Amino acid sequence: DAGVIQSPRHEVTEMGQEVTLRCKPISGHDYLFWYRQTMMRGLELLIYFNNNVPIDDSGMPEDRFSAKMPNASFSTLKIQPSEPRDSAVYFCASSLDPRRQFFGPGTRLTVL
Amino acid sequence: AQSVTQLGSHVSVSEGALVLLRCNYSSSVPPYLFWYVQYPNQGLQLLLKYTTGATLVKGINGFEAEFKKSETSFHLTKPSAHMSDAAEYFCAVSGGNQFYFGTGTSLTVIP
Repeated sequence: DAGVIQSPRHEVTEMGQEVTLRCKPISGHDYLFWYRQTMMRGLELLIYFNNNVPIDDSGMPEDRFSAKMPNASFSTLKIQPSEPRDSAVYFCASSLDPRRQFFGPGTRLTVL
Repeated sequence: AQSVTQLGSHVSVSEGALVLLRCNYSSSVPPYLFWYVQYPNQGLQLLLKYTTGATLVKGINGFEAEFKKSETSFHLTKPSAHMSDAAEYFCAVSGGNQFYFGTGTSLTVIP
């Protein structure tokens, strides 16, 4: 199995632009998680899905952030409009058991 | 509710010295505990985990951690640090459907 796949690996954009991060979970996993990692706050859970349904989005920082999971093999995290303080590494993880998550390589986002 | 506290955001050790990274947790249910490592410019990698059974858990790269319920701790150790151990280390606890991460400890290994 290829593991959790995230794209792009690096994204540099200008303030105000829309950013879309993508994640392909491990086949058969029915949980999908989005995390953000910053120096100041460490790893934070943004949102997670079970069977494509958002279960808890309390970690989503603002309305500028949205996440979708249109099918079992694909999820997106969108930021519109982006701001410099959104610069971080965004991780996607998937699992069969939420206690044992498999992480993707992350997307490093830089908003200028 | 669950939470994790990592004591010391930066730890420096000499090459060959003992590595000790501290993690304390709180959990209202029997916890699952994890240590992840993140090498520069890479994603998270699972080092080791405790679920049930033996409280001393061995992981990759010579690391181990001991679950001490009475102390609510899950400290990470390695007898002899290597230069390649320089990385960011995250402790995590799971409960219910979520993970709770510590803020990370940056390990520097001095030649």
